[in-house]
Amino acid sequence: GAVVSQHPSRVICKSGTSVKIECRSLDFQATTMFWYRQFPKQSLMLMATSNEGSKATYEQGVEKDKFLINHASLTLSTLTVTSAHPEDSSFYICSARDKGAFPNSPLHFGNGTRLTVT
Amino acid sequence: AQTVTQSQPEMSVQEAETVTLSCTYDTSESNYYLFWYKQPPSRQMILVIRQEAYKQQNATENRFSVNFQKAAKSFSLKISDSQLGDTAMYFCAFMMKTSGSRLTFGEGTQLTVNP
Repeated sequence: GAVVSQHPSRVICKSGTSVKIECRSLDFQATTMFWYRQFPKQSLMLMATSNEGSKATYEQGVEKDKFLINHASLTLSTLTVTSAHPEDSSFYICSARDKGAFPNSPLHFGNGTRLTVT
Repeated sequence: AQTVTQSQPEMSVQEAETVTLSCTYDTSESNYYLFWYKQPPSRQMILVIRQEAYKQQNATENRFSVNFQKAAKSFSLKISDSQLGDTAMYFCAFMMKTSGSRLTFGEGTQLTVNP
């Protein structure tokens, strides 16, 4: 089956530093990837939609300059949390849509990244 | 905007019994898809079942089935013969046909299967 690899699975960083999270589709091409944020025992909140070769579309209330998204190839999207603060600590999950699949086919999810900002 | 509501934050069931998780949604669209995802302690999102709104027949996947009531905007998940491995957070999700795979999730229901 289609696999999405998300790296790192856990990261701890100091306040004020930046952290990059990678989301790779291993055996398919993904024109669209999605980034979610999940607080403990809560739902997944869509942060942004990443489209290959174009600018990401951010959800209302998500700071574009803080959460930088790059989707430079059909198999890789990155989320960079800039100048991280403790309130950015959360679980971040990516998902990808197979370019070759029917529209609205189920998405493939990464395993998530737990970010802790100290 | 679409909203998805799961009114049961927590549910528990005995092993081998049947449990139903509730989900309601609100939309003005007529063409959409509904999903149930499972998130075990590993946090991996796993697709359980999918329903296309234009299909009247309820989707079934082995022990998992849905009761899709389009007029009532209800989409419940029934798990039969519950197993310990079914213990997880379950999310109901909505996708408009024209949304380009954009999912809206409900708040989730934590299901615990007791031995």
